[in-house]
Amino acid sequence: AQSVAQPEDQVNVAEGNPLTVKCTYSVSGNPYLFWYVQYPNRGLQFLLKYITGDNLVKGSYGFEAEFNKSQTSFHLKKPSALVSDSALYFCAVRDINTGGFKTIFGAGTRLFVKA
Amino acid sequence: DADVTQTPRNRITKTGKRIMLECSQTKGHDRMYWYRQDPGLGLRLIYYSFDVKDINKGEISDGYSVSRQAQAKFSLSLESAIPNQTALYFCATSDIEGDNEQFFGPGTRLTVL
Repeated sequence: AQSVAQPEDQVNVAEGNPLTVKCTYSVSGNPYLFWYVQYPNRGLQFLLKYITGDNLVKGSYGFEAEFNKSQTSFHLKKPSALVSDSALYFCAVRDINTGGFKTIFGAGTRLFVKA
Repeated sequence: DADVTQTPRNRITKTGKRIMLECSQTKGHDRMYWYRQDPGLGLRLIYYSFDVKDINKGEISDGYSVSRQAQAKFSLSLESAIPNQTALYFCATSDIEGDNEQFFGPGTRLTVL
């Protein structure tokens, strides 16, 4: 069965410091991996995805994520955090062996960037 | 977000009432989804539809029904609302290719008293 774990409910970081939001996954086959961000009173917005190829994926707003197959992880990173990055972040996985249509979301990690 | 709209944005109702949440999209996508979001649980899939004639149950479909009236419209109904259906509900769409991301509406905050 597919599953996604975001081990931290909240991540606190000072503005200008690097940030990491962790995600690990479990699928039976090869995964499609996604990160979404949710700002207050808004729907989820797509940040980036890993499908195949280079393990380091770059996305919107300066975010990037590294796919690590041996550790089954897909951590979200940003070299220098902004106060405006404060939001709720969701990792998601889709198992291509199931037809690639069912996406499992993690519970979310709240990022708080302090000025 | 304007490509996927949801109505109403907020709704308060009473136990036992029937309520419908509506979703419309202008992205031209075939696939549409309904999720609910609860604190600490992330998003859980209620129903999904791959085209107008296709309806599939998600992981938490009990107590809900859906209707795909057109490619652009996908509505969610609570036949007899109960308090534990209080949640934030999201509609989403995606293109037919399995590696594509989903596009979400702004959400409907539903409170069942």
